[in-house]
Amino acid sequence: NAGVTQTPKFRILKIGQSMTLQCAQDMNHNYMYWYRQDPGMGLKLIYYSVGAGITDKGEVPNGYNVSRSTTEDFPLRLELAAPSQTSVYFCASTSRVGQGENTIYFGEGSWLTVV
Amino acid sequence: QKEVEQNSGPLSVPEGAIASLNCTYSDRVSQSFFWYRQYSGKSPELIMSIYSNGDKEDGRFTAQLNKASQYVSLLIRDSQPSDSATYLCAVRGSTLGRLYFGRGTQLTVWP
Repeated sequence: NAGVTQTPKFRILKIGQSMTLQCAQDMNHNYMYWYRQDPGMGLKLIYYSVGAGITDKGEVPNGYNVSRSTTEDFPLRLELAAPSQTSVYFCASTSRVGQGENTIYFGEGSWLTVV
Repeated sequence: QKEVEQNSGPLSVPEGAIASLNCTYSDRVSQSFFWYRQYSGKSPELIMSIYSNGDKEDGRFTAQLNKASQYVSLLIRDSQPSDSATYLCAVRGSTLGRLYFGRGTQLTVWP
């Protein structure tokens, strides 16, 4: 059981380049999330999705875009990379929220440096 | 106002002591509360969830929730050096899809 898979694990981008962080889960989860974590800080919600075709902004969406064409995949697109986007990115998923909600599964993280 | 605030730490306790971690949240209708542990360079892992007022115990961990005060805490009894990590408080807000995290409290347990 792969769980939540993120690729790439490490990436160096030049200012102004674009890239996509991939996230896939094989647990048929409806809810998926993208967070970023700056050094010594907690996780900031970038975007989330409650199901295929449905996405919404989190706390820090500027400079990012997402899509959710399938239940399994939730890619995060960085357009015109800036040094402020240097961070660790975590993708997460869960099957159910609210009363009796289930465990959230995290990917292993993607370390992105913009130079 | 930040959604979730934690005592910033760092917190340092001797082995065998009780470590107390605190968290407040701003969304009064929040229903679900979580404590995650994160080792350096790793992804967060869930250690406790709590949904009702009062205490919830799981081994050496006790989560406490007071919705009237918008406060949730985590007690770690008989702290071990292996408990040294950053502890993240997370709150499910009124918008069900959203899960907000605090900035974390770094705990060091020294032998």
